[in-house]
Amino acid sequence: NAGVTQTPKFRVLKTGQSMTLLCAQDMNHEYMYWYRQDPGMGLRLIHYSVGEGTTAKGEVPDGYNVSRLKKQNFLLGLESAAPSQTSVYFCASGLKNTQYFGPGTRLTVL
Amino acid sequence: SQKIEQNSEALNIQEGKTATLTCNYTNYSPAYLQWYRQDPGRGPVFLLLIRENEKEKRKERLKVTFDTTLKQSLFHITASQPADSATYLCALGSNDYKLSFGAGTTVTVRA
Repeated sequence: NAGVTQTPKFRVLKTGQSMTLLCAQDMNHEYMYWYRQDPGMGLRLIHYSVGEGTTAKGEVPDGYNVSRLKKQNFLLGLESAAPSQTSVYFCASGLKNTQYFGPGTRLTVL
Repeated sequence: SQKIEQNSEALNIQEGKTATLTCNYTNYSPAYLQWYRQDPGRGPVFLLLIRENEKEKRKERLKVTFDTTLKQSLFHITASQPADSATYLCALGSNDYKLSFGAGTTVTVRA
């Protein structure tokens, strides 16, 4: 059981570039989440999904898009990266109340 | 708007002592509250969940209290060990299975 995995672990982008972060879980969880974590701030929810084919906006969705074509995968896209999107991104999955987190992706936008 | 506040400063304690962390919230009526542990460079790990109708929960050396009148949770680590050094996150949840997190409190246990 790998749990929740994230790809890539690190990435540096230039302003305006695009990229996709991949999250995969092997626990058959219905719910999946994307968060960003910035110094001095709590984890903030970007988008989430309550099942395959469904997505919804979280607290800070602007500048991001997501897709959940398969139950085990949740993709986070940045269409045109901005320096304000420099952060550590965490994916999580869960059944109901408890969430299981991936190791994170450290993204720097120059 | 919702606000979740944890101890604003880091906590440094001697091995064997009890660490007490606070989580206060406003403009929120959570159905449950959770505590997570986060080590540097890693994702948070779930520790404990306490529901709105529960006053106290224990798990090994960990104890959590939840006072919905005061809008506060206390998290205790008893007989602390250097391996307990980490950042601890408070998270509030409701029946839509989304969580709102505090910024965390960093605990350092000195040997």
